[in-house]
Amino acid sequence: ELKVEQNPLFLSMQEGKNYTIYCNYSTTSDRLYWYRQDPGKSLESLFVLLSNGAVKQEGRLMASLDTKARLSTLHITAAVHDLSATYFCAVGNFGNEKLTFGTGTRLTIIP
Amino acid sequence: DGGITQSPKYLFRKEGQNVTLSCEQNLNHDAMYWYRQDPGQGLRLIYYSQIVNDFQKGDIAEGYSVSREKKESFPLTVTSAQKNPTAFYLCASSGQIQETQYFGPGTRLLVL
Repeated sequence: ELKVEQNPLFLSMQEGKNYTIYCNYSTTSDRLYWYRQDPGKSLESLFVLLSNGAVKQEGRLMASLDTKARLSTLHITAAVHDLSATYFCAVGNFGNEKLTFGTGTRLTIIP
Repeated sequence: DGGITQSPKYLFRKEGQNVTLSCEQNLNHDAMYWYRQDPGQGLRLIYYSQIVNDFQKGDIAEGYSVSREKKESFPLTVTSAQKNPTAFYLCASSGQIQETQYFGPGTRLLVL
């Protein structure tokens, strides 16, 4: 059974600082997604990572994938308040549509 | 505009009642999904459908039912057998197998 763990679960950081969210998964996978969720809202797709060594960047967010270590990271550079949200990683299972989500990292950026 | 719509935004269920949540997409996507999210938790898959007239159980299908009579629509019924239905329900769709899933705005279900 595929298990997905994120850490930290809660992260409070000051504006302008850098930090990294980690997503570990337990079995081989063929794809990994990062999503953002604002309080009471739906999920917004951020990145999809399909191969070992893949790196995607959008603004102050950068995601990477190491399939050998079964690890993805979401790096935040020079955080701003607008990035406050809950971030989820989701891992796909080979051969079917199912995604397994992590429990999320609630990020709060303090001015 | 293309997108996924869910209705209602809020839904109240009485004891022993079945309720149906609507999900419609105009993205021409083949696959559709239903997830449940409990407070402070990740998403858990209830049902998914890769094609019209076919669907599969997810990880927590008990107490739920679905139909997929049209490509655009994937309604979810929460039956009286679901003893703890209070949650945020999210519908998603994707174009092809293993493509990114896009989510609707969600329905919050509360029990009276």
